[in-house]
Amino acid sequence: NAGVTQTPKFRILKIGQSMTLQCTQDMNHNYMYWYRQDPGMGLKLIYYSVGAGITDKGEVPNGYNVSRSTTEDFPLRLELAAPSQTSVYFCASSRLRGVDEQFFGPGTRLTVL
Amino acid sequence: GDSVTQMEGPVTLSEEACLTINCTYTATGYPSLFWYVQYPGEGLQLLLKATKADDKGSNKGFEATYRKETTSFHLEKGSVQVSDSAVYFCALPYSGAGSYQLTFGKGTKLSVIP
Repeated sequence: NAGVTQTPKFRILKIGQSMTLQCTQDMNHNYMYWYRQDPGMGLKLIYYSVGAGITDKGEVPNGYNVSRSTTEDFPLRLELAAPSQTSVYFCASSRLRGVDEQFFGPGTRLTVL
Repeated sequence: GDSVTQMEGPVTLSEEACLTINCTYTATGYPSLFWYVQYPGEGLQLLLKATKADDKGSNKGFEATYRKETTSFHLEKGSVQVSDSAVYFCALPYSGAGSYQLTFGKGTKLSVIP
């Protein structure tokens, strides 16, 4: 099993550009999450999804959008990139919510200049 | 609100030294507690967990005991190896509406030198 895969691994954007970070999981998990990790900080939840067609905001959703058309895919869209969005982005999935283990992808390192 | 406080790093140890990374938490009730590890260039992966008070989680020689009296979940290993060099995160499920996210500590970077 591939687990959780993310593309791209690295990306440099100019201020105002847009992009989509891709996330796919092959474990048939209902729950999926997007986190950002800033240097010296823990992870902050951006958006999450409890199943296909259902998404909701996390702790830091401003400047991002998500969609969940299938169980496997959970892309994160950045509109009008800003330097404050420079971070490492992790996608994760879990079988259950809350107490269940979350499985993380390898991350996307994004720099906005 | 729920929060996790863990020992700030970086921590540098010689191979075979003992490791303790402190983690304390503030939460409603008695949530499950987790330690995640992030190896260089990789995503986080679950290292161990404990689901109730006095439980001891263990994996790969690491241990952590859920202490409700001191609201702590310290990570310990008796003899570290170079391959243990990584960033370690303490985490607990957010207890607010939905309970979907994990609340993470800031992470402790461990470097083990031969």
